Amino acid sequence: SAVISQKPSRDICQRGTSLTIQCQVDSQVTMMFWYRQQPGQSLTLIATANQGSEATYESGFVIDKFPISRPNLTFSTLTVSNMSPEDSSIYLCSAKDPQETQYFGPGTRLLVL
Amino acid sequence: LAKTTQPISMDSYEGQEVNITCSHNNIATNDYITWYQQFPSQGPRFIIQGYKTKVTNEVASLFIPADRKSSTLSLPRVSLSDTAVYYCLHFSGGYNKLIFGAGTRLAVHP
Repeated sequence: SAVISQKPSRDICQRGTSLTIQCQVDSQVTMMFWYRQQPGQSLTLIATANQGSEATYESGFVIDKFPISRPNLTFSTLTVSNMSPEDSSIYLCSAKDPQETQYFGPGTRLLVL
Repeated sequence: LAKTTQPISMDSYEGQEVNITCSHNNIATNDYITWYQQFPSQGPRFIIQGYKTKVTNEVASLFIPADRKSSTLSLPRVSLSDTAVYYCLHFSGGYNKLIFGAGTRLAVHP
């Protein structure tokens, strides 16, 4: 199974600033994804991180607000730009292994003041 | 988008068997069925996955009828530590991504 780590685990940020979240997988994966989870709610898919090309965003999410990079097979970053209190959430990195099983990181808990 | 329906919440007691049923009426021929468990302040954890009939691992069993329009996750002899949210999803292999529904909140009582 793939083990996914995220940095930072949590952060408190001021509105108008940006935060970059890093995701590292310990083994080869095919796909990487970013999700958001509001407290007490289910997960919402933000985008699929594509290696070497622009991410594929879901409806309601745009690159200017959530730029994503994936420079290699096992690493990705998500930036939350120009943050507002509505961006306070848990952001989760996910990856699918060659056996089609999808794993999740522990999440990054973000609070925007 | 893949859509599933499952009970919002369930209650059980330690030592009982818990069965959570999920309906996925629009499942496609090539879709797999997968279940995740999520504890508070943690990412979802993969439990079990199947295509048809029955799958069993060290944690749970998954029962899928012939028409594949529903599935049942069976947790034998639950303990307090099984209190969590359980998500049922179906997806196709390859590019297809996991879309989460509301999940089932299972509360296990002493």
